[in-house]
Amino acid sequence: DSGVTQTPKHLITATGQRVTLRCSPRSGDLSVYWYQQSLDQGLQFLIQYYNGEERAKGNILERFSAQQFPDLHSELNLSSLELGDSALYFCADLRHDSNQPQHFGDGTRLSIL
Amino acid sequence: AQSVSQHNHHVILSEAASLELGCNYSYGGTVNLFWYVQYPGQHLQLLLKYFSGDPLVKGIKGFEAEFIKSKFSFNLRKPSVQWSDTAEYFCAVNGYAGSYQLTFGKGTKLSVIP
Repeated sequence: DSGVTQTPKHLITATGQRVTLRCSPRSGDLSVYWYQQSLDQGLQFLIQYYNGEERAKGNILERFSAQQFPDLHSELNLSSLELGDSALYFCADLRHDSNQPQHFGDGTRLSIL
Repeated sequence: AQSVSQHNHHVILSEAASLELGCNYSYGGTVNLFWYVQYPGQHLQLLLKYFSGDPLVKGIKGFEAEFIKSKFSFNLRKPSVQWSDTAEYFCAVNGYAGSYQLTFGKGTKLSVIP
């Protein structure tokens, strides 16, 4: 157990819908990173948050957005879902501005029917 | 931009065979290098990391990796694999560019046959 908690573990929904994935990092001065793992694209960085602010953005679609709350948990919002959004979504935390390895959560498996 | 290339998509070995998984990266500055393992249905776990110093790094479960700067490579090795090593292995790099986000290779699936 890495200490990074993601909910739900599995999510099944239909095209056109909107879902919210939640990540609770460990405590401390941490950045939260979101990654998407899909069969065709592999593991890709989506977005990073620190202190409630977006710090870096990767290959994140405009239909996707994220936020971080005062208690440091983060949510990834995916809207107008398409079949290709089916993937495993991981969050990871890292002590801010540290180059140490990131700690990953168990991921949320999103299936679009 | 950073990129990582893993040469093998799927490797099948018998128990006790030796393992070497290739990883090459491209990045213009100083990089930190990582190997992560993902067992079926589980999250990514760190196997080993290289930041600086001795280019031969040892990780958990008998894995090691060698950083060869001139070849931009960071290959993972294990002298004798076990069935329990069946998993997917990801090479990753980060280099500070305003963020320490990881850039991953596509992964190598290792299947070890008892």
